Amino acid sequence: QVQLVQSGAEVKKPGASVKVSCKASGYTFTDYGITWVRQAPGQGLEWLGWFSPYNNNRNYAQIFQGRITMSTDTAASTVFMELRGLRSDDTAVYYCAREGSGWSRYNWFDAWGQGTLVTVSS
Amino acid sequence: DIQLTQSPSSLSASVGDRVTITCRASHTITTYLHWYQQKPGNVPKLLISEASSLQSGVPPRFSGSGSGTEFTLTISGLQPEDFAVYYCQQSFSTPSFGQGTKLEIK
Repeated sequence: QVQLVQSGAEVKKPGASVKVSCKASGYTFTDYGITWVRQAPGQGLEWLGWFSPYNNNRNYAQIFQGRITMSTDTAASTVFMELRGLRSDDTAVYYCAREGSGWSRYNWFDAWGQGTLVTVSS
Repeated sequence: DIQLTQSPSSLSASVGDRVTITCRASHTITTYLHWYQQKPGNVPKLLISEASSLQSGVPPRFSGSGSGTEFTLTISGLQPEDFAVYYCQQSFSTPSFGQGTKLEIK
């Protein structure tokens, strides 16, 4: 079955960086894009960006441009999301999700990782 | 950017009721609109893609409709396990989510 397994919780100081991993299994890794979404405590869902392991195309949300990078280790079927210049309002659960319609663009998200809590605190 | 506005923001209903949640887009998104359910402490679950396509394994009491800028999610015959937060999401352009609708037991 399709599974996305994310790395564990992180605690970071303001200004630091965090890199979250998302390991895929149960399907052909390069056939589907991966999206990253976050959810601050008690809040709604916020889209961060999308990455295609097929051709390394990516698209980041405008508000994160310049401080977010998505990358991949194809051999390990893993996608990474790095967020730099962390602030207290970056405290959230970060999810990776599989793009349900394939590798070529974002659409709907049909499988989700378990989430990674990133806490930013001095 | 396309904004999605859900109404109501919260809703109280009883088991067996029929409920409708609306999602309005700030610009036309044809049928690039998807619905998710999130229970407390759980990850979001895709219910409906492209406005009306029910995902495999999702009970048929869930249905979606709409196109352009106005969309609805209907649950016919609420079950105890349906009390959750529901989100709409568009993929016509850079993805965005509605603010969520919390469905509570009356």
